[in-house]
Amino acid sequence: DAGITQSPRHKVTETGTPVTLRCHQTENHRYMYWYRQDPGHGLRLIHYSYGVKDTDKGEVSDGYSVSRSKTEDFLLTLESATSSQTSVYFCAISAGGSTDTQYFGPGTRLTVL
Amino acid sequence: QKEVEQNSGPLSVPEGAIASLNCTYSDRGSQSFFWYRQYSGKSPELIMFIYSNGDKEDGRFTAQLNKASQYVSLLIRDSQPSDSATYLCDVPGSGNTGKLIFGQGTTLQVKP
Repeated sequence: DAGITQSPRHKVTETGTPVTLRCHQTENHRYMYWYRQDPGHGLRLIHYSYGVKDTDKGEVSDGYSVSRSKTEDFLLTLESATSSQTSVYFCAISAGGSTDTQYFGPGTRLTVL
Repeated sequence: QKEVEQNSGPLSVPEGAIASLNCTYSDRGSQSFFWYRQYSGKSPELIMFIYSNGDKEDGRFTAQLNKASQYVSLLIRDSQPSDSATYLCDVPGSGNTGKLIFGQGTTLQVKP
């Protein structure tokens, strides 16, 4: 299994609070991704990174920010959580980008009350 | 039109039958195509990828690609109850932009 961990695995928070999710890899892959998965919507890309300090938006980036200060860590921040951000969040890594295999982390279940 | 479309299902087949999962895409420049399997409560995992027109076989799985018609299919022969999962099609757009484009997934149920 690819070395990807996500923390926390579960989190319950209240509307308006900041939340940070962490993705950590031990594979030294260049590309890292954050997705959310909701019933009826499949996997939707939030943000991705193509190198340290290099990030770009996905299709559902509003309300989210990311940072990547080291190759191995990619952080997703919800500045002020809303109930619509209740979801399962997956991190993925890839050596070669979108035309290469993605390896997914175990996921984080976030509930915003 | 969505960039990548799949029938959400559920697709129900009896054990031992062939399951056929389909995916259509809009970007004619797409060059690589991936199928991921996701068991309930788990993360997606790659089962097949295909780059060239035609068929690619791996055990009980066959991926079929038709670029002219812009669809990619996954056939599962001798379906087993353990194949029951959601199957996600990933069709990255032309060029390695870094962005991934998944269909919403098809849920397969294999009944004993």
